[in-house]
Amino acid sequence: GAVVSQHPSWVICKSGTSVKIECRSLDFQATTMFWYRQFPKQSLMLMATSNEGSKATYEQGVEKDKFLINHASLTLSTLTVTSAHPEDSSFYICSARPRGTGMNTEAFFGQGTRLTVV
Amino acid sequence: LAKTTQPISMDSYEGQEVNITCSHNNIATNDYITWYQQFPSQGPRFIIQGYKTKVTNEVASLFIPADRKSSTLSLPRVSLSDTAVYYCLVGPDRNDMRFGAGTRLTVKP
Repeated sequence: GAVVSQHPSWVICKSGTSVKIECRSLDFQATTMFWYRQFPKQSLMLMATSNEGSKATYEQGVEKDKFLINHASLTLSTLTVTSAHPEDSSFYICSARPRGTGMNTEAFFGQGTRLTVV
Repeated sequence: LAKTTQPISMDSYEGQEVNITCSHNNIATNDYITWYQQFPSQGPRFIIQGYKTKVTNEVASLFIPADRKSSTLSLPRVSLSDTAVYYCLVGPDRNDMRFGAGTRLTVKP
């Protein structure tokens, strides 16, 4: 099946610094990518929908100035957590659907990035 | 995206068949039902998708009654490695990928 790669798999950063997470679709093009945050024992929470060449659509309650999303190409979207704080520590996951496929095409997910802010 | 309701958790034993039901009373005519599996510290993985009646693949079966207001994911002869969280999503909207709470399945030896 199609592959979505996230990098890094885990990262530890100091409070107040920024962290960038990359999401790449390796063998398909994706007009739209999705970013999620997941806390322990909880479901995935959709943060934003990233559209190639345009601004991301953020879910209610997600600070767009804190979680910067850039979708510069059909195979790459990035999430930057700015001025990270310990409460931003979480598991971040991206997903994408192949471009030009049917409405019911399944989404492919990255392996996730574990962010720990100390 | 049609709202879904699943049991929060289920326990089973190795070798048993497990059926996880998802309720989606407000499913629309053009909605599909998709199930994903997630292991700890990994991204979800597609399991199966269906529109009506029954769909089977090498991993699972999906049963959908005529009214399509619910669906049942059936895992035959589960093993310890099937311990995971299972999510059902309903919809055709390519840009609406919100997850419900999911069902945490624990398979015991």
